[in-house]
Amino acid sequence: QVQLLESGPGLVKPSETLSLTCTVSGDSISSFSHSWSWVRQPPGKGLEWIGYIYNSGHTYYKSSLKSRVTLSVDTSKNHFSLKLTSVTAADTAVYYCAREPYCGSGCGNWFDTWGQGTLVTVSA
Amino acid sequence: QSVLTQPPSVSGAPGQRVTISCTGSSSNIGDNRDVHWYQQFPGSVPKLLIYANNNRPSGVPDRFSASKSGASASLAITGLQADDEADYYCQSYDSVLSYSVFGGGTKLTVL
Repeated sequence: QVQLLESGPGLVKPSETLSLTCTVSGDSISSFSHSWSWVRQPPGKGLEWIGYIYNSGHTYYKSSLKSRVTLSVDTSKNHFSLKLTSVTAADTAVYYCAREPYCGSGCGNWFDTWGQGTLVTVSA
Repeated sequence: QSVLTQPPSVSGAPGQRVTISCTGSSSNIGDNRDVHWYQQFPGSVPKLLIYANNNRPSGVPDRFSASKSGASASLAITGLQADDEADYYCQSYDSVLSYSVFGGGTKLTVL
């Protein structure tokens, strides 16, 4: 059974960097069959896709966040990470990591496995 | 403003059938992109309900079904139960934005 677990600070100061890690069990982060995404949900609002990483290196980000987002992978720990710089209150959200069957470039699939989510609050 | 448009809320009595619409455009659903649906209870993780337009993952009751036509899709729930009360989200891929997009979510209330 595939499981994802997010970890990281729950409070980040404005203008600083949000850093989260998603540890994967039951599947390999180097898999050719899946990509690994981050999705966030501001309190009381809908879901927003942030970006994905595939095959330990290929990344793709939502255009409006691209200048602030970096995804990376540590294959030895089977986890992937999110860094979001220059955060503001608008970045306050529950951050989920999720697995997606890979379909290549120029397409998107469903998210079949989600982590439990972690609330990150941006506040001084 | 979400790329995919859903009604903020729908309601129905136990046993009834309800539908939730998801309206897109020529760059996503209308571009023959698959639509997926998620169920989310308050304070809980989104759960995949329907994938690739009308496929149910193992364990999802056949009371849940979905369809797609043109630039829109819809989720149908028959035999409504109290524990169906949740938020429902549609998702697709947008070929102009080049990433996956979600609807704004629909809150289902069981009367």
